[in-house]
Amino acid sequence: SQQGEEDPQALSIQEGENATMNCSYKTSINNLQWYRQNSGRGLVHLILIRSNEREKHSGRLRVTLDTSKKSSSLLITASRAADTASYFCATAAFSGGGADGLTFGKGTHLIIQP
Amino acid sequence: DVKVTQSSRYLVKRTGEKVFLECVQDMDHENMFWYRQDPGLGLRLIYFSYDVKMKEKGDIPEGYSVSREKKERFSLILESASTNQTSMYLCASARLAGHYEQYFGPGTRLTVT
Repeated sequence: SQQGEEDPQALSIQEGENATMNCSYKTSINNLQWYRQNSGRGLVHLILIRSNEREKHSGRLRVTLDTSKKSSSLLITASRAADTASYFCATAAFSGGGADGLTFGKGTHLIIQP
Repeated sequence: DVKVTQSSRYLVKRTGEKVFLECVQDMDHENMFWYRQDPGLGLRLIYFSYDVKMKEKGDIPEGYSVSREKKERFSLILESASTNQTSMYLCASARLAGHYEQYFGPGTRLTVT
């Protein structure tokens, strides 16, 4: 199964700085999604980018997708302490007429230092 | 506000017990999913369902079964719990086609002793 792999595994930056996380995957996808997980909680969807899109913005988030390199990046601008969380990329493919589950990477743990 | 709820936040069971984890969504989503999350392994798909009474195996279905008798409810069953099933279990739901973001519940942290 295809799999997203985030890089780096952990990232610590100062409040106000920008944070960039990368994701690589192995096979063709329909879309790629980013999720945030606060400690011990469920995942929250951040942004979805389809395979025919190259860049997408949502508030302080910017996601890029390069299907030729099978990679994506998530940029969080002007980071805040509340952005401290784990961030996961997930890839989705459709088979037949149904829908598969997402395939998640192992996540990047982001710490924002005040 | 969309909502996925799970029956328990924390659960402690003994080896060999039958365990039921319940998930309910109020968004009329066709698709529902069960994942487990373990340190260093990320989230792995156990089972999913794309319609009532329909189920598909995910990447790690061994030791688990599921039930979907109603559209809003998806249950994960551990027939005979084992210590290697100690984990965080996350339920999610999603619409069928096109818009495919998943909505997650808060998770159930299961400990099998």
